[in-house]
Amino acid sequence: SQKIEQNSEALNIQEGKTATLTCNYTNYSPAYLQWYRQDPGRGPVFLLLIRENEKEKRKERLKVTFDTTLKQSLFHITASQPADSATYLCALGGYQKVTFGIGTKLQVIP
Amino acid sequence: KAGVTQTPRYLIKTRGQQVTLSCSPISGHRSVSWYQQTPGQGLQFLFEYFSETQRNKGNFPGRFSGRQFSNSRSEMNVSTLELGDSALYLCASQASGGAGYNEQFFGPGTRLTVL
Repeated sequence: SQKIEQNSEALNIQEGKTATLTCNYTNYSPAYLQWYRQDPGRGPVFLLLIRENEKEKRKERLKVTFDTTLKQSLFHITASQPADSATYLCALGGYQKVTFGIGTKLQVIP
Repeated sequence: KAGVTQTPRYLIKTRGQQVTLSCSPISGHRSVSWYQQTPGQGLQFLFEYFSETQRNKGNFPGRFSGRQFSNSRSEMNVSTLELGDSALYLCASQASGGAGYNEQFFGPGTRLTVL
């Protein structure tokens, strides 16, 4: 069955460092992959979408890579700030269906 | 532009009851998807509606149902509530395409507690 794995343990990093979050998947050939941010008590907020034929996408301090051979996406936040502390979800999809990972909680320490 | 709104925000029900949750998408968005979020399972896809038609469905029992109106507002209904239905129910809207094919805009969710 399809499986998405995100590091379920919290990731703690020092302010100013680069945070790298991992999303691995099996038994799936997604057409695209999305990353969302979710704060406690709120709905997820869309950050980036990368399609299967794209290797890398950037948006301000965010960078996403997508390796369909390794079946892995990496999500980077450079120059991290305490305000970046949140849970980050990856989501894989084909047309008309999307599957979310359980998320990784990021804590940026001042 | 107003965001996605969901009502009510909090709900407490007892086992065996039924519940209806409402979602108003962003103006102009025709696709509405519903998700259940629990700490152990994460976000689970329930179903997606587009132009009043259910376009896709997740692996949930028939107790979970939904509908979409001509103004794109959507409701989901859960009948014969079970303790395990306690969760945060989120709806997401997008302009077009399949669920998640483009950026999805999520509402704040309805926190359902079943006693």
